[in-house]
This record gives sequence, structure tokens and C-alpha cells, in this order.
Amino acid sequence: QKEVEQNSGPLSVPEGAIASLNCTYSDRGSQSFFWYRQYSGKSPELIMSIYSNGDKEDGRFTAQLNKASQYVSLLIRDSQPSDSATYLCAVKGRDDKIIFGKGTRLHILP
Amino acid sequence: GAVVSQHPSWVICKSGTSVKIECRSLDFQATTMFWYRQFPKQSLMLMATSNEGSKATYEQGVEKDKFLINHASLTLSTLTVTSAHPEDSSFYICSARALESRGNEQFFGPGTRLTVL
Repeated sequence: QKEVEQNSGPLSVPEGAIASLNCTYSDRGSQSFFWYRQYSGKSPELIMSIYSNGDKEDGRFTAQLNKASQYVSLLIRDSQPSDSATYLCAVKGRDDKIIFGKGTRLHILP
Repeated sequence: GAVVSQHPSWVICKSGTSVKIECRSLDFQATTMFWYRQFPKQSLMLMATSNEGSKATYEQGVEKDKFLINHASLTLSTLTVTSAHPEDSSFYICSARALESRGNEQFFGPGTRLTVL
């Protein structure tokens, strides 16, 4: 059974601090990794994708991938109240399906 | 770019009726569309994968005769919930994968909230 694991949270982070979200996956053959943000009652919005080991930065967001450890993370710098949402980690395996984690609820404290 | 729409955004229906949900890719052609269901405080659960011009592939436990999927063109897929019951009440979300996309990025529609009375 392919799995994507995330801590459900809530993760509370002061405004302006760095929020760190983590995800592990079970399928060692996975090739593509995604982070989605989902506000309550809304559909997910793609914020980052990463395909190779290392860091990928986009504005305040940095995705980190370590395939050897089967670990992917998302860092949010200078956290804002508008970043409060559920963050879904998603992994595409060799069967071409994308599996979603259950999400981590992030709460930015003003 | 990469905009996906869904219609309707919400629907309330009586038990036993059928409901059709449309998913459209507005500014790109989608080889593949996906249908997900999300219950409150749960993650997205893939129901089926739909390829243009062919039959949908359903996930284990999803009744294909109850959830009819049609992918008639590269920009439109429909999900019909037949003989809906209260336990079918959920948030239904489609996503589309672009023809030219690398890495299989999926773009989500805004979702349809179905309430069956």
C-alpha cells in the first residue's frame, strides 16, 4: 500500500517566523512531488513541485527533497496570517497516480 | 493559465435523484482528468481517472455504475452521481493534467459540494 504521511497538526507558528512542514512517502520509485495549499471549503491550489534531490525556492516557499530518506518538506519564510491553511503533500508514483497525504493544518499566530 | 472550472459549485438534491457535475479545462487541453471526493477533515480520495475518448479507470471500492464518468473531449469531463443517497454527500473535486505538462502537475477545479437530503 503506497502511503504519504504527514503530521496532521495543527502547527502553530508566530507571524514572521519560518513554518516547516514535513512529509514522508513509502514508494521508493516515486518521481514527482507536490505541495498543495487548501483553504477550508476550497479546492487545493498547487504551490510547489519538485522532481530532483535538493532545494527548490519560489518566493517565500522552499521545497526540499531527499529521495534516499523518502522525505519531502516545505519551508515558508516570513509566515503571514494568510498562510494559515491545510498543506497537502502529494507524490506521483510509477503507476502515474498521485497520492495525497492527509494534510497538515498550519495556523499562523498574529 | 491552467484554469479548471466546475459546475455547479454546489447542489442539493433529493435522495434517489441523479446529479451531473461538469469539469472543464478553460485554457489548456487535458489528456487526463481525475475525480476526487473529500469528506470533512479528510484528505482527497481519488475516485477515478478519465482519459479522453476511453473508459474511465475506477479506484478500488468505487462503484462505476453509480459514478458515471464521461470524458468526451480534451476540455470536458462529467461525473454523474446516479441514485444519490445521503452518504454520497461530499465535496467532489476534479483535476486536469495538461497535454504539455512535465512532471504530471495537476490543476484542480474549485469543487462541487453535493448535499443529498
